[in-house]
Amino acid sequence: GEDVEQSLFLSVREGDSSVINCTYTDSSSTYLYWYKQEPGAGLQLLTYIFSNMDMKQDQRLTVLLNKKDKHLSLRIADTQTGDSAIYFCAESSSGGYQKVTFGTGTKLQVIP
Amino acid sequence: GAVVSQHPSRVICKSGTSVKIECRSLDFQATTMFWYRQFPKKSLMLMATSNEGSKATYEQGVEKDKFLINHASLTLSTLTVTSAHPEDSSFYICSARKGLSLTVNEQFFGPGTRLTVL
Repeated sequence: GEDVEQSLFLSVREGDSSVINCTYTDSSSTYLYWYKQEPGAGLQLLTYIFSNMDMKQDQRLTVLLNKKDKHLSLRIADTQTGDSAIYFCAESSSGGYQKVTFGTGTKLQVIP
Repeated sequence: GAVVSQHPSRVICKSGTSVKIECRSLDFQATTMFWYRQFPKKSLMLMATSNEGSKATYEQGVEKDKFLINHASLTLSTLTVTSAHPEDSSFYICSARKGLSLTVNEQFFGPGTRLTVL
């Protein structure tokens, strides 16, 4: 079955860049997502990328996709304390009805 | 917007009782809703996909008679944990798909329900 893996924890200083990494196994993955979960809250979709892209930038967020290595990363520039949360990588195969498989989540701690 | 609510946010019950959790899409119609279970330091585990007006589709290993799902309207899905036991204690999260997109599977998540079974 599909498997999505992330490191559990990342700590950065305020103002630095954060890079959260993710690997996945399903070669048929078409959409790759990054979700953010703040304490006691549900998940919020931050951004997504199609598998035929290798980069997507949205303000402070940059997503890089290496399809050959099945590696996805999320870079947050100028990390702020409000960015402290758990970040989930997720993937789904083509078609909106395919289920989304989530990674284990990376807890980002931003030190003031 | 696309807001999803869950009720209750937290529930404590005795072993053997049943608990109902509601998931509502507040400002959009959701033909499909999803129920997840989240364990500490673990990923979200998809339990079932709930389609309005039809039976839910359960993931392998999830007991349909234990976790009853009813998607009676385009804005409401309920999950009932029947005869709850301490091992059912978990964080349950629902999500809803907006519209009938055939491309990206964007889901809007509720805030979750913390269930504790004593």
